[in-house]
Amino acid sequence: EAGVVQSPRYKIIEKKQPVAFWCNPISGHNTLYWYRQNLGQGPELLIRYENEEAVDDSQLPKDRFSAERLKGVDSTLKIQPAELGDSAVYLCASSLSLALGPSGANVLTFGAGSRLTVL
Amino acid sequence: KQEVTQIPAALSVPEGENLVLNCSFTDSAIYNLQWFRQDPGKGLTSLLLIQSSQREQTSGRLNASLDKSSGRSTLYIAASQPGDSATYLCAVILDSNYQLIWGAGTKLIIKP
Repeated sequence: EAGVVQSPRYKIIEKKQPVAFWCNPISGHNTLYWYRQNLGQGPELLIRYENEEAVDDSQLPKDRFSAERLKGVDSTLKIQPAELGDSAVYLCASSLSLALGPSGANVLTFGAGSRLTVL
Repeated sequence: KQEVTQIPAALSVPEGENLVLNCSFTDSAIYNLQWFRQDPGKGLTSLLLIQSSQREQTSGRLNASLDKSSGRSTLYIAASQPGDSATYLCAVILDSNYQLIWGAGTKLIIKP
């Protein structure tokens, strides 16, 4: 099992440039999350998908951030244009669907993250 | 609004000691609670998941407890080792909408 795969691991761009992150979740995991994490803080949810449907995107800055999960598997997160304050680690996580009910398998599995630096 | 607090923010102890990390939450209507470990520059690794109907879970030297009525969870680490040094985060999933609410973490340093 490859786990949750994210790319790129590191990205340095100048402000106002676009950037995109890609996530491949664990096979069979219907729920996919994108988080942003700043140094010394807990993760901040950007968007949560159940299959291909975005069920919680209330904290996604929609003026510059967009995400998609075509076919309910891989997902991409895009920022356009990037701002200095977007520098952070972008984490993707997946789990079995919470809608299936309480289960020890609802464990979230995280990717290694994509570290973005905006200059 | 659910808030998750972890105290202390940082902890340094000598190798071999048993220790307890604390997590408190303000709303007891949770689906489950999870403890994670994060090493510097890396993603998060799930350690233990406690369902809302459970009181504790154990994995090796780790034991996590949950007291919903008081809004508390503890992560007990027995016989600490330098390799346990990391940041430990707890997160609750809300019963109402499955949102994950995170604590800010406790940075643990185990001194050899």
